[in-house]
Amino acid sequence: GIQVEQSPPDLILQEGANSTLRCNFSDSVNNLQWFHQNPWGQLINLFYIPSGTKQNGRLSATTVATERYSLLYISSSQTTDSGVYFCAVLYGNKLVFGAGTILRVKS
Amino acid sequence: NAGVMQNPRHLVRRRGQEARLRCSPMKGHSHVYWYRQLPEEGLKFMVYLQKENIIDESGMPKERFSAEFPKEGPSILRIQQVVRGDSAAYFCASSPPDGVEQYFGPGTRLTVT
Repeated sequence: GIQVEQSPPDLILQEGANSTLRCNFSDSVNNLQWFHQNPWGQLINLFYIPSGTKQNGRLSATTVATERYSLLYISSSQTTDSGVYFCAVLYGNKLVFGAGTILRVKS
Repeated sequence: NAGVMQNPRHLVRRRGQEARLRCSPMKGHSHVYWYRQLPEEGLKFMVYLQKENIIDESGMPKERFSAEFPKEGPSILRIQQVVRGDSAAYFCASSPPDGVEQYFGPGTRLTVT
């Protein structure tokens, strides 16, 4: 099956700093999503981005499908950005998740 | 437009009891997916259903687990004779008929004592 790898596994930032999270996948995909799992455990949809670049406020994402990777950019981080960030690719009928990046933003 | 709804949010069962988890998809969504998040194992696909049909159950454990999505009412994930290893967060997701982007519910946290 497809492999989805995320890096870094964890990250500590000072409030106001920028960061880039990476997602590599081992096969061609038609769908890639980024999620934020907040400290209460809820999964929040961030981006549906099979290719190209999208921006939403302080967050943006880029997927280069031909090179099998996606990047999530967080600018001017805030403490509310803390949590786990997952990328997931659609493989057949199911989303295959990476292991996630644990982000902690300190004030 | 209400999102994906799951209930209960928290469920405690003793070993050997049955657990029933419910999921109502977003309005206009006809595809339902169940995922499980076990400690130290991440989020894993369990089953994909459309109304009255199981499309893909390749992630379901062979025994004790079943799922349905009836013509009327929510989708149900049923776990019979629960064991401690079933303790996890169970997430439901739904997607529209084109089946591209999946939207997740808040999850049900099952604790087996």
